[in-house]
Amino acid sequence: KNQVEQSPQSLIILEGKNCTLQCNYTVSPFSNLRWYKQDTGRGPVSLTIMTFSENTKSNGRYTATLDADTKQSSLHITASQLSDSASYICVVTPTGTASKLTFGTGTRLQVTL
Amino acid sequence: DGGITQSPKYLFRKEGQNVTLSCEQNLNHDAMYWYRQDPGQGLRLIYYSQIVNDFQKGDIAEGYSVSREKKESFPLTVTSAQKNPTAFYLCASSTGTGINTEAFFGQGTRLTVV
Repeated sequence: KNQVEQSPQSLIILEGKNCTLQCNYTVSPFSNLRWYKQDTGRGPVSLTIMTFSENTKSNGRYTATLDADTKQSSLHITASQLSDSASYICVVTPTGTASKLTFGTGTRLQVTL
Repeated sequence: DGGITQSPKYLFRKEGQNVTLSCEQNLNHDAMYWYRQDPGQGLRLIYYSQIVNDFQKGDIAEGYSVSREKKESFPLTVTSAQKNPTAFYLCASSTGTGINTEAFFGQGTRLTVV
């Protein structure tokens, strides 16, 4: 069964600090892996996308990495801001169909003063 | 503005009633999806549709029904057969199945059974 597991489940950091979120997946083969940001009570919004042949992708203060051999991805947030407080969801698209997007349970990040 | 719109944002239902959640997109996407989100769990697929007049059950379709009469619209009906309908419902659409496939989400509908 295709699975996506994320860790930690929740995280609290001080404003200005860096943090790294982890995603382990069993989906194979896959077309792409995305990280989404979901604010409370809102729909998820895509932050980064990587295909199986890419190792890293940046979007401002967000940097995603992918190791296809170990089936791991990480999302690194630099110089965190209060507005980074949200859930971050790892999503893997299996090859051949977008109908079975596999979602992780997310990491709830809280940035405090 | 192009996007995907869900309504209403909040919905209350009495036990035994059917309710319909609206989802409209003007992105010209072929595929549309309905997901359910519960606290501490990942999004779970209820139904999806890859073309007009066709839809498929997802992982948790029992107690739900959909229609896809127009490309732009994919309403979800939560029937009285759904025993635990209180949840956050998300509608999404996507371009297809290529390597750059991206799901665009609406803002969600929070359904509460009272």
